[in-house]
Amino acid sequence: EDQVTQSPEALRLQEGESSSLNCSYTVSGLRGLFWYRQDPGKGPEFLFTLYSAGEEKEKERLKATLTKKESFLHITAPKPEDSATYLCAVPRGSQGNLIFGKGTKLSVKP
Amino acid sequence: NAGVMQNPRHLVRRRGQEARLRCSPMKGHSHVYWYRQLPEEGLKFMVYLQKENIIDESGMPKERFSAEFPKEGPSILRIQQVVRGDSAAYFCASSPPAGGRYNEQFFGPGTRLTVL
Repeated sequence: EDQVTQSPEALRLQEGESSSLNCSYTVSGLRGLFWYRQDPGKGPEFLFTLYSAGEEKEKERLKATLTKKESFLHITAPKPEDSATYLCAVPRGSQGNLIFGKGTKLSVKP
Repeated sequence: NAGVMQNPRHLVRRRGQEARLRCSPMKGHSHVYWYRQLPEEGLKFMVYLQKENIIDESGMPKERFSAEFPKEGPSILRIQQVVRGDSAAYFCASSPPAGGRYNEQFFGPGTRLTVL
């Protein structure tokens, strides 16, 4: 069964303390992996798409990487405004609808 | 360029009433997806539509739930005879016409349904 698992469920960091979030997946034939950010009471905001193992993408303090079994979202020198829930998702089959992990809730304290 | 629009943002219904949720995709997007997010749970796929066609409704309960995306106007998710378990945030996402690889899905702000 296709599945996406994210860890940790919650992560508390001090401002400037770098860390990584993990997303592991089991799907038959990966057709891309998506990272989103979700703030309380809002819809998910698209961050990155990764299509093949070894691919990396960066945006400000965030860098996403992909292997054959998992993806990492690295956060370098985070700021309080990076506090949010980070979601990872993969397409199911050929239709494109997304299977989401439960997310990692990140809190960055000043 | 306006993003995905959903209305209403908040909807309160009593048990047994009908709920209608609307979604206008981003300009140029012809694919619409509906997801449901229950408290403390992840986003779950419900239905995938293109103009006048339901492509995949495998995630939508077979009773009481229906969806449409007419040639003109927004996509509508309709829940008949709501029950308390339907209380959740409902998100709509849109993507442009597929071009080989999967296109990113862009989400609206959601409709938060509360059933009393």
